[in-house]
Amino acid sequence: GQQVMQIPQYQHVQEGEDFTTYCNSSTTLSNIQWYKQRPGGHPVFLIQLVKSGEVKKQKRLTFQFGEAKKNSSLHITATQTTDVGTYFCAGRDSGGSNYKLTFGKGTLLTVNP
Amino acid sequence: NAGVTQTPKFQVLKTGQSMTLQCAQDMNHEYMSWYRQDPGMGLRLIHYSVGAGITDQGEVPNGYNVSRSTTEDFPLRLLSAAPSQTSVYFCASSFPGLATDTQYFGPGTRLTVL
Repeated sequence: GQQVMQIPQYQHVQEGEDFTTYCNSSTTLSNIQWYKQRPGGHPVFLIQLVKSGEVKKQKRLTFQFGEAKKNSSLHITATQTTDVGTYFCAGRDSGGSNYKLTFGKGTLLTVNP
Repeated sequence: NAGVTQTPKFQVLKTGQSMTLQCAQDMNHEYMSWYRQDPGMGLRLIHYSVGAGITDQGEVPNGYNVSRSTTEDFPLRLLSAAPSQTSVYFCASSFPGLATDTQYFGPGTRLTVL
């Protein structure tokens, strides 16, 4: 079945440093979504990418979808303590069920003030 | 709108007990799903529903039953709880369609099975 791999599993940075998490799928995706989960909270939708090579920005966050639609990345510029949490990617297989969403295992970001 | 609500927030069960985790949404979403979250394992799909009366299995369905009698409600039943079912359970809902694919998650139920 479809697998979505996410690296790194953990990342600790000093406040002001940049952060990147990567997501790779074993199959071609119809879309990729990114979620953030604060400690003790629930996942909250950040963004969705649909087009090959798509790049979207939300303030200090930059999201990319690969040309082959099998990988994606989230980059945070100049991290802040409010960025702490686990970032998940989630992909929908373009060739499979159009409902099942497969999540990566997430990257836990901690920020030292 | 309350969004997606889940009850209870916390639950402790003994092995072999049964219980139902409740999930409701007031956004008229057709799609609803249940995930479990374990440390280091991310979110794994248990069961999902694409509309009232329609359910299907996800990645880890064993030990769980679901039903969808209304658009709003999607309960998850544990028939005979096992320690391996200790986890945090999230319910999510969304509209169908690629352009409206946002998953709205409930606050979660933290379940411990002794």
